[in-house]
Order: sequence, then C-alpha cells, then structure tokens
Amino acid sequence: DGGITQSPKYLFRKEGQNVTLSCEQNLNHDAMYWYRQDPGQGLRLIYYSQIVNDFQKGDIAEGYSVSREKKESFPLTVTSAQKNPTAFYYAFYLCASSSSVGDSNQPQHFGDGTRLSIL
Amino acid sequence: SQQGEEDPQALSIQEGENATMNCSYKTSINNLQWYRQNSGRGLVHLILIRSNEREKHSGRLRVTLDTSKKSSSLLITASRAADTASYFCATPRGGNKLVFGAGTILRVKS
Repeated sequence: DGGITQSPKYLFRKEGQNVTLSCEQNLNHDAMYWYRQDPGQGLRLIYYSQIVNDFQKGDIAEGYSVSREKKESFPLTVTSAQKNPTAFYYAFYLCASSSSVGDSNQPQHFGDGTRLSIL
Repeated sequence: SQQGEEDPQALSIQEGENATMNCSYKTSINNLQWYRQNSGRGLVHLILIRSNEREKHSGRLRVTLDTSKKSSSLLITASRAADTASYFCATPRGGNKLVFGAGTILRVKS
C-alpha cells in the first residue's frame, strides 16, 4: 500500500542532543511537510519542500533543519538549539505529503507521527 | 497565526446521536478541508469542499460552507464509538500549504 512511513514512533532526547526523525513516502508526491503538534494543540508548520533539493521555512523553523536529497525522503533534525518550555516536555511530529505543487485543492497525506520526549 | 478555529473545543455525545462541529476562518479561501486524528495517530483527510460549493456529502459526513460568514460545519450522523477522535479544519495559505485550527475533540459514548 502507498503511504508515509515515519520512524521511530517514540524517541527520547536529552538537552543539547541532536536527533533525526525519518519520513519516507511512496506516493510519488512532489511536496512534503513537517508539522509539530504540542499536547492538545493544532499543527504548526516547521518546514516544507516542493521539490528535491529545495525547502522553505515554516512558522516555527528555529532549532530545526531538513534535507530533501530524494523525492521519497524528507528527514527532520531537531538540533540542540531547540528550546523547550519545561524540564520534561514532549511533542508530536507529523510528516505529510501532497501531490501537486502550487495546487491548494489537493489533500495532504500524513504519517503516524513520532513522539519526541525531552528529558 | 491560526486561520481556522473550531467550535466547540470538546463534544461528548451518545452513540447514535449526531455531532456537529464548526469552523470559522478569516480570509478568502478557494477550499476548506476537514481531517480526523485518532489518538496518537496521524491525520486522515475526510472531505474537501470548494468555495463554489455550499454542501458536500461523504457517507455519514455532511459538510457545509458559507463563504459570506467565513464558516463551515461538519455533521457526523448516527455517530459510533469509532468516531471518537479530534477533528480539524484546514484552509490553504499560499500554494499547497495549509493552516490548521486547534481542533474539536469528539467523544462518542457507547
């Protein structure tokens, strides 16, 4: 079946540590996105990519980096610069894709997310 | 900033009842989308309604769009326990980016 695979499902990170979240899609979609969802909140856009080797910052890009070397893959790195609101904190990271660049009438397809807990 | 805002924030109903969720937005749009999220999972696209449509159906889902009031509603008829989830509206903002509201948490009690 076609879809989006995110890994790992759960991840723990210590302060000052970089971690990378994987996102792979086999839908042949051009556009890919990373969102962060804090507990009980909506989704906020971190980065998006409309084509290989190109990506743009979203609303909360500080402390994150991405790459798009292949159409199928859009990994997200949470860097040591990422600030956390409390000593123990977790957020849900969702990867999505859509088929047509510049066409807002296309739905986005989501992976099942990675829950990142900060120790 | 959030474009769509859902109302109510939470809704609890009995199985078999209908559930209605509302979404308001601020700027002109060419479509509005509804998504469902089960606990701990990704979002699933439910339905897209274009700005020139007033109503759209998909199974037990009925979506309306009132562009003059900048609002949309999602009706789930004859709800089931499996409909328990969070529901989000989303509107386009430049190309194929979407802005999501904070969602409505629906609990269907059996």
